[in-house]
Amino acid sequence: SQKIEQNSEALNIQEGKTATLTCNYTNYSPAYLQWYRQDPGRGPVFLLLIRENEKEKRKERLKVTFDTTLKQSLFHITASQPADSATYLCALLYSSASKIIFGSGTRLSIRP
Amino acid sequence: DTGVSQDPRHKITKRGQNVTFRCDPISEHNRLYWYRQTLGQGPEFLTYFQNEAQLEKSRLLSDRFSAERPKGSFSTLEIQRTEQGDSAMYLCASSNRDRGVAGELFFGEGSRLTVL
Repeated sequence: SQKIEQNSEALNIQEGKTATLTCNYTNYSPAYLQWYRQDPGRGPVFLLLIRENEKEKRKERLKVTFDTTLKQSLFHITASQPADSATYLCALLYSSASKIIFGSGTRLSIRP
Repeated sequence: DTGVSQDPRHKITKRGQNVTFRCDPISEHNRLYWYRQTLGQGPEFLTYFQNEAQLEKSRLLSDRFSAERPKGSFSTLEIQRTEQGDSAMYLCASSNRDRGVAGELFFGEGSRLTVL
C-alpha cells in the first residue's frame, strides 16, 4: 500500500529564513499532491495543489515542487514568520475522483 | 455559508457505549469524507461519499463503524461498542468534485472522542 513520509521531527528555524519541508511517497506517483496547514485543535486548511506534470507551484511566500523521479515534494515558506508555526501535511490523490490520503505531518516552529 | 460543521465537538463516553457524530458539509459540495486523527499523526482515511453513495470504506475500519449520508447532504458516523482505542479526533471534510481545485478539502473543526 502507498506510504507517505514526512519529517517526523519538528523543524525549528529562525524568523526570516526559508523553511523547507519534505514529503516522500512510495509506489506509483499520484496525479495530484496537496499541502495543508493544521493548527492545534483545528481542522487542516488547504494551501496548494501541484499536478504530476508540474515541476513547481507558487503562492505568495509558498513554493511547492514535485519530482516524480525522486517521488518527493518539497514545500518552502520564504521569509518565515512566527505566525507560520503549525503542522504541515502533504496529501496525495491518484485522480480527481479518488480518495485523499495524508502523511503524518511535520511540525514547524518559527522563533522570533 | 459557514463552512463544514461537526457535532458534538467533544464526546466522553464509557467503553462499550455507542456514539454518533454528525457532519454538515458546505451546501453545494457533493463529496464528503471522514477521517480519524490521533495525536502526532496525520488524518487517517475512514470513508467517503459522492452524494449519497458510499464509494469506499477503509479496510482498517472494523464493522463497529458505520457511516451514512442518506440524502446526499449531512452525514453521520456511528461507532458501536466503543473501545479505548477509538479515542481520537474525528474529522469531516467536504469538496466539490466538479468545481474548484481538484480534491481541495474543506475540513470541519472535528469531534473529539474520549473513551474511558
